[in-house]
Amino acid sequence: DTGVSQDPRHKITKRGQNVTFRCDPISEHNRLYWYRQTLGQGPEFLTYFQNEAQLEKSRLLSDRFSAERPKGSFSTLEIQRTEQGDSAMYLCASSSSGEGAHQPQHFGDGTRLSIL
Amino acid sequence: SQKIEQNSEALNIQEGKTATLTCNYTNYSPAYLQWYRQDPGRGPVFLLLIRENEKEKRKERLKVTFDTTLKQSLFHITASQPADSATYLCALRYSSASKIIFGSGTRLSIRP
Repeated sequence: DTGVSQDPRHKITKRGQNVTFRCDPISEHNRLYWYRQTLGQGPEFLTYFQNEAQLEKSRLLSDRFSAERPKGSFSTLEIQRTEQGDSAMYLCASSSSGEGAHQPQHFGDGTRLSIL
Repeated sequence: SQKIEQNSEALNIQEGKTATLTCNYTNYSPAYLQWYRQDPGRGPVFLLLIRENEKEKRKERLKVTFDTTLKQSLFHITASQPADSATYLCALRYSSASKIIFGSGTRLSIRP
């Protein structure tokens, strides 16, 4: 179990640029989640995949945000035309769908995005 | 919409004492309530889960209670240690297919 890995760990970019983050979940996990966290707040849900299907998207996820999980393994989160308000920590988590909902989510250490 | 309230101020506890953190929620009770630990610059780490039909759950020095009448969960760390210093997040989930809603967390500091 190598855990959930996210790349890059830090991203600094100018306003208006596009950015893409990658998440590699724990290999046997079929569920993958993206969250956004700002300082002093808890993680806010963005979107969720079961295998390659995107099953839920938050209203926080504007049309500038898109997420994919093409083969049901790794996932990417892209933000187009970045804005100052996009500065945050972007967290990925994975879990199995096992027995009910009590499969804990395993989080990566996030990608910290800073918009200049 | 559902709201989760956790102590916004940091909690400072003397080593060896029991730390008690509170999580209050509005509206209807979740099927599952979870507690996570988060260290600076790291992702949250799952600690304990309690179901709506359970009153109490324990794991080593940790204890969680769930009162659906009060709409409250309490998280206890007994015999606290400086290594327990972190932010603790309460999280709710309403069904196996639903998202998890996190509180803003309580920062706990254990002084030697």
